[in-house]
This record gives sequence, structure tokens and C-alpha cells, in this order.
Amino acid sequence: DSGVTQTPKHLITATGQRVTLRCSPRSGDLSVYWYQQSLDQGLQFLIQYYNGEERAKGNILERFSAQQFPDLHSELNLSSLELGDSALYFCASSVLAEVLQNNEQFFGPGTRLTVL
Amino acid sequence: EDQVTQSPEALRLQEGESSSLNCSYTVSGLRGLFWYRQDPGKGPEFLFTLYSAGEEKEKERLKATLTKKESFLHITAPKPEDSATYLCAVQVEAGGSYIPTFGRGTSLIVHP
Repeated sequence: DSGVTQTPKHLITATGQRVTLRCSPRSGDLSVYWYQQSLDQGLQFLIQYYNGEERAKGNILERFSAQQFPDLHSELNLSSLELGDSALYFCASSVLAEVLQNNEQFFGPGTRLTVL
Repeated sequence: EDQVTQSPEALRLQEGESSSLNCSYTVSGLRGLFWYRQDPGKGPEFLFTLYSAGEEKEKERLKATLTKKESFLHITAPKPEDSATYLCAVQVEAGGSYIPTFGRGTSLIVHP
């Protein structure tokens, strides 16, 4: 158990809908990363928040948005869902903004999103 | 564009048969290369961090090495429980941000 929690574990929805994925980082971790993992694209970095502020942006679509709250939990909002958005969504956390020796990323168990 | 390429895509070994996985990268502003292990349906689990060419790290049957263009994950006398997908990632500094880029992974199966 990495200490990172994600809910829900599974989510099934229809095209055009909007969903929210939730992540609670490890106690003491200030940085939260969101990733998308699909069979054809591998693990893709979406966005990083550090202590409540957006820190880095990757291949995140405009239909997707995220935020980190004062208690450091984070939410990833996916809207106007398409079939291609079906994937595993992982959250990871670390203490600092940069992954370093003794400051590695710890990944959560993921949310499996299925868009029908 | 930053690229991370892992090979082979899949590898089947007999228990005890040592081998190496490769991760080659083309990036500017490298700030670390990382290896992860991922079991089916689970999140990646951190294995190693490497920063400088020539650096080596070891953990049980695994040993990671780094050169200026690639990294190797050597698996010595593997056991069936080493079966997993091994992911390589690089962290690149870009304007004060640190961007992680992952390779597609090597799926390893170790037969008893």
C-alpha cells in the first residue's frame, strides 16, 4: 500500500458525460501528479499540482481540468467524455515538486474509467 | 521532442536466466531517470533513481545503470515473482517545472 488513495476504483459512464476523480496524497506530500494510462499510449503525464498551485502541465486535453484543495487532496474533472478517454487514471504524490533521490513518486491504485 | 524508448516490448525468460532491459532517451535538461515496476491493474512502484552517467543502483536481483544516452535494468537469476511490466521514465526541467516522460514499458514473464 503506497498510502495514496483514489476513488472511485471503477467508473462506467456514457459519451458526453462529466466525471470527477479524486485523489488523496500520502500524509505530508505536497505534490500531486495525474497520469492517464491506455493500451495504445502508455503512461502519459497530465498535470501536477504543488501545495495548491498548478506546477507543470503535460498532455492534458482542454476538456480535462484539475485542482488541489487546501487539505491537499486533488480532483481531476473530465468532461464531454469520448470513447477514447477510456483508460486507467493514476494519481501520484511526492513531498517536493521535483522527483529526487529520497523524494520519489508514490502511485495510487488508479481509477478505471470506461466510456460507453 | 523528448523521447523515451524501451526495448524489448516483451521478454520471456526461464527462471534463473539473466537478461537486461534497455531504456534509451533523447531529452534536453535531464534531471533524473527512474525505473518502476508495474503489476497488472496496479499503480507503478518505484525501484531506482539515477542522475549521472556511470551511476549504478542495486536492489535484490535488479541492477540499474545509466549512460549519457541509455539505461539498463539488469535482472540476475530472475524468479517468477519478478514477472511484471518495467517502466522507465525521465524527468526534464522546463522553465522551473519538472516534466516526467515515461516509456511504453517492457513486459517481463519469468517461467518456473
